[in-house]
Amino acid sequence: QVQLVESGGGVVQPGRSLRLSCAASGFTFNSYGMHWVRQAPGKGLEWVAVISYDTTNKYYADSVKGRFTISRDNSKNTLYLQMNSLRPEDTAVYYCAKDRAGIDFDPWGQGTLVTVSS
Amino acid sequence: QSALTQPASVSGSPGQSITISCTGTSSDVGGYNYVSWYQQHPGKAPKLIIYEVNNRPSGVSNRFSGSKSGNTASLTISGLQAEDEADYYCSSYTSSSLYVFGTGTKVTVL
Repeated sequence: QVQLVESGGGVVQPGRSLRLSCAASGFTFNSYGMHWVRQAPGKGLEWVAVISYDTTNKYYADSVKGRFTISRDNSKNTLYLQMNSLRPEDTAVYYCAKDRAGIDFDPWGQGTLVTVSS
Repeated sequence: QSALTQPASVSGSPGQSITISCTGTSSDVGGYNYVSWYQQHPGKAPKLIIYEVNNRPSGVSNRFSGSKSGNTASLTISGLQAEDEADYYCSSYTSSSLYVFGTGTKVTVL
């Protein structure tokens, strides 16, 4: 079955960088777009970024554009999120999710917590 | 892109039906039949329960159904059960090739 496992979260100071990873298995990774979605503590879901199956297309939410970069390594079945210039408001659980038909997200990983604090 | 508007909470007794609304604009909910719904239990990842307005993924109970009228989509849970107590989020594809979620609704089974 499809499995998505995020890693790389932790505590980081404002202005610093962090890279998240999402290891995928159980499906043909290089045939599907992938997303990052985040959820601040006690808050709702916020879509962050999407990358097409072949890395040709990448889109970002305005809140992270210019600071975050989504990428993937299809040879390693792994999705990444490079987060630079982190702010306290970036504190959240970050989920990776497999794209379904370019429209929605299914399934999701278990998430990794990023805390931006001095 | 502003979040889609959902009621903060909805409650019902076991066996009853409840409906959660999700209001957007003509650039998202009203412009596409690309509304989906997610169920999230505390401490768990969201789970897709409705896609493309009114379709259920395999394995999702037929007690969940979706619809749309204009800029507002709706999720109905019929025969409410204790296990349905969770947070529910709608989402939509948008005209900017982006994605937007709803503000979320906490469902309480009385």
